[in-house]
Amino acid sequence: TAGITQAPTSQILAAGRSMTLRCTQDMRHNAMYWYRQDLGLGLRLIHYSNTAGTTGKGEVPDGYSVSRANTDDFPLTLASAVPSQTSVYFCASSEGLPTDTQYFGPGTRLTVL
Amino acid sequence: GENVEQHPSTLSVQEGDSAVIKCTYSDSASNYFPWYKQELGKGPQLIIDIRSNVGEKKDQRIAVTLNKTAKHFSLHITETQPEDSAVYFCAAVSGGYQKVTFGIGTKLQVIP
Repeated sequence: TAGITQAPTSQILAAGRSMTLRCTQDMRHNAMYWYRQDLGLGLRLIHYSNTAGTTGKGEVPDGYSVSRANTDDFPLTLASAVPSQTSVYFCASSEGLPTDTQYFGPGTRLTVL
Repeated sequence: GENVEQHPSTLSVQEGDSAVIKCTYSDSASNYFPWYKQELGKGPQLIIDIRSNVGEKKDQRIAVTLNKTAKHFSLHITETQPEDSAVYFCAAVSGGYQKVTFGIGTKLQVIP
């Protein structure tokens, strides 16, 4: 079982450009999450989806959008990247509740110049 | 909203010694407290968790304690090994999907 895959592994992006970070899980989990990880700030929730077709805002949603067209995929889009969005992005999933174990992907390192 | 504080930010121990990482939380509605281990270049992985109706939980060399009255919980690693070297995160969950709050992490180094 692959679990959660993320693509790309890393990316350098010019400010103002758009980009979509991809996330796919093969565990048929209902809930999926996007976090960003920054030194000294830990992991912060950007957006979440508790089931296909629904999404919600986390702690730091500004500048990001998500969609959940099906159970397996949960892409994160930066419409117009800014340097403050330089970070490592992790996708995660859980069976259904936030009190279920969250399984994390390997992360995408994004640098916005 | 929830606020989770984690201490220390870095911790060095000799192989075989114990390591303790402490977290405090602010939201009394939090009822689930997972701990994650993150190795270099990888995503966090759950190592142990505890729910609010339990005071302590053990899994081999790892244990977690929870004091709901004081709103703090701790991770204890005994007989540390070099492969325990990683960053450890605590988290508090209060039931809502958007209410998963992580601590800032503790970098543990086990010196052979």
